[in-house]
Amino acid sequence: SAVISQKPSRDICQRGTSLTIQCQVDSQVTMMFWYRQQPGQSLTLIATANQGSEATYESGFVIDKFPISRPNLTFSTLTVSNMSPEDSSIYLCSLREALDNEQFFGPGTRLTVL
Amino acid sequence: ILNVEQSPQSLHVQEGDSTNFTCSFPSSNFYALHWYRWETAKSPEALFVMTLNGDEKKKGRISATLNTKEGYSYLYIKGSQPEDSATYLCAWRTGANNLFFGTGTRLTVIP
Repeated sequence: SAVISQKPSRDICQRGTSLTIQCQVDSQVTMMFWYRQQPGQSLTLIATANQGSEATYESGFVIDKFPISRPNLTFSTLTVSNMSPEDSSIYLCSLREALDNEQFFGPGTRLTVL
Repeated sequence: ILNVEQSPQSLHVQEGDSTNFTCSFPSSNFYALHWYRWETAKSPEALFVMTLNGDEKKKGRISATLNTKEGYSYLYIKGSQPEDSATYLCAWRTGANNLFFGTGTRLTVIP
């Protein structure tokens, strides 16, 4: 399976600032996703990162708050904009190589917003 | 409502004991059921993908069963070891891109 790395692994940020999380994969993959897990909650899909076009967001998530880039088949970024304490979560990138394949996750970015 | 529930929320077992926990999911629009093992500060590790009613899968001391008609899956761990301590997540998939996750079962194996 592909090796997925994320940067940063954790961060503590001030309210009102923005943080960009990077996801790097060691091979080209078709589908990349961004998830978050708020404390005590389940992993929830934020958006599907589409290579070369705008991301597809799930209900409750908007591009202005979570802009996503995917310039190629091995890299994606998620920005958490104008952060508030409610954005404190673990953010994970995820990939699947085809519709019927297993889905894999990165190690996550643990974000705390003060 | 797309609700995936896992029980128990947490449990402690003695080393050597066998244990099991449950994932329940909507029985309609079923495509696949995923199990993951997630240790703190690591990537969730994919354990099983199950698609057919009656499926049984095994990986070492861990096995899983699937009942799509009644909407549940069991995960079994035989002879628990301290290294099995982790949160076990199940995720229900309807065929589109999204996985709908439960909140997990946190297992602690006491040496």
